[in-house]
Amino acid sequence: EPEVTQTPSHQVTQMGQEVILRCVPISNHLYFYWYRQILGQKVEFLVSFYNNEISEKSEIFDDQFSVERPDGSNFTLKIRSTKLEDSAMYFCASREIDTQYFGPGTRLTVL
Amino acid sequence: KNEVEQSPQNLTAQEGEFITINCSYSVGISALHWLQQHPGGGIVSLFMLSSGKKKHGRLIATINIQEKHSSLHITASHPRDSAVYICAVPRGSNYKLTFGKGTLLTVNP
Repeated sequence: EPEVTQTPSHQVTQMGQEVILRCVPISNHLYFYWYRQILGQKVEFLVSFYNNEISEKSEIFDDQFSVERPDGSNFTLKIRSTKLEDSAMYFCASREIDTQYFGPGTRLTVL
Repeated sequence: KNEVEQSPQNLTAQEGEFITINCSYSVGISALHWLQQHPGGGIVSLFMLSSGKKKHGRLIATINIQEKHSSLHITASHPRDSAVYICAVPRGSNYKLTFGKGTLLTVNP
């Protein structure tokens, strides 16, 4: 069964460093999402992406964040200058019709 | 006020018990999702429903659109059912999901 994959599973970085989180959505899906979950809190929407552009973003998704679909298969989330409060689990999802399929997540730890 | 409220926050049961987790929402929706999150963190979609009832194995999900309420039931619960169960609703034309805080279910042998 096709699945969404994410790499790395765990990323540790120093505050102020740039990180890129990678996702490979299910191949025939057209809608992509990034969500994050700070430890102990609920999952929050970050950004949605369709037709090679951002279709919606939350207030969390400020100028430090960017998304890209560089090669037609990967879907990346970049955080330019990480802050301690960016430590969280980041989930990628892709959608066909009305069901979203989630990746296993990347745990980002900012020291 | 949260758009999606779940209860209870925590639930401990003995193996074999019938489990009910509730979800209420305050916005108009076309469908509702029930998701499962295991201790490792990964999220799995269990159900998407827009009316009535759906059943998959020992899991049953119901929704009442008029009352803006959904329930997830687990029959004959088992320790492997221990996880966080999350209710989420799609919002807007981009279908982004708004999540409840989740219910931590622990089933003891």
